[in-house]
Amino acid sequence: TQLLEQSPQFLSIQEGENLTVYCNSSSVFSSLQWYRQEPGEGPVLLVTVVTGGEVKKLKRLTFQFGDARKDSSLHITAAQPGDTGLYLCAGTDNYGQNFVFGPGTRLSVLP
Amino acid sequence: DSGVTQTPKHLITATGQRVTLRCSPRSGDLSVYWYQQSLDQGLQFLIQYYNGEERAKGNILERFSAQQFPDLHSELNLSSLELGDSALYFCASSAGTGALNEQFFGPGTRLTVL
Repeated sequence: TQLLEQSPQFLSIQEGENLTVYCNSSSVFSSLQWYRQEPGEGPVLLVTVVTGGEVKKLKRLTFQFGDARKDSSLHITAAQPGDTGLYLCAGTDNYGQNFVFGPGTRLSVLP
Repeated sequence: DSGVTQTPKHLITATGQRVTLRCSPRSGDLSVYWYQQSLDQGLQFLIQYYNGEERAKGNILERFSAQQFPDLHSELNLSSLELGDSALYFCASSAGTGALNEQFFGPGTRLTVL
C-alpha cells in the first residue's frame, strides 16, 4: 500500500514569513499533486508535478518533486493570511489508478 | 464554484440505515470520483467511474456501492451505516481519466450517523 506522510502537521506563522512543508513516501509515484482545502469546501488543485527534480512556481508558491519521485516540497514566500488552509499532497501510482492523499499540513498565517 | 454539485449538503441518520449521496459532474466531464474525509483517516479515495464504467477502486467498503448513470451523474450508496461512517463525502470530476486530468471537487456531503 502506498502511503504519503506530510510534515509538519500544523504550522502557525506570522504574515510575511517563509515556510516549507514536506510530503514524503517510501514508494515511487508517477505524479504528485498539491491541493489546498479551506474549511467547508472541497480541495482545490494547486499543481501537478510529474518529472523527478521538477520545480514549478505559482506566484509565491514553489513546488519541487524529488529526483526519485518519492517526495515533494511546497515553499511559500512571504506568506499572507489568504494562504491559510489545509495543504494536501496526493500521489498516483504508475497505473494512474490509485489516488493516495497525505494527511495534510494545516497552515495558519496570522496578520 | 467548481461546477460540481452534491446533494444533500448535510445528512443525519441512524446506525443500520441506508443513504444515497448524489453528485453531478462539471459539464463535459466524463470521470467521477468519490472520496471520504474523516478526522482520523484523512481523505480516502473510494471509487472512480468513467463514462458509466467503474475505472478504479480504492478503500471502499463492501457496504458501500456507487454507480454512474447515462447522464453522467453519480450516486454513492451507503448501507448498514455505522458510527464510524460519519464523515465528509466528496465527489470530484475530471474530463478524462488518469493522474494528469485535473479533478474538480464538489462542496461535499456531511454525513452524521447517530
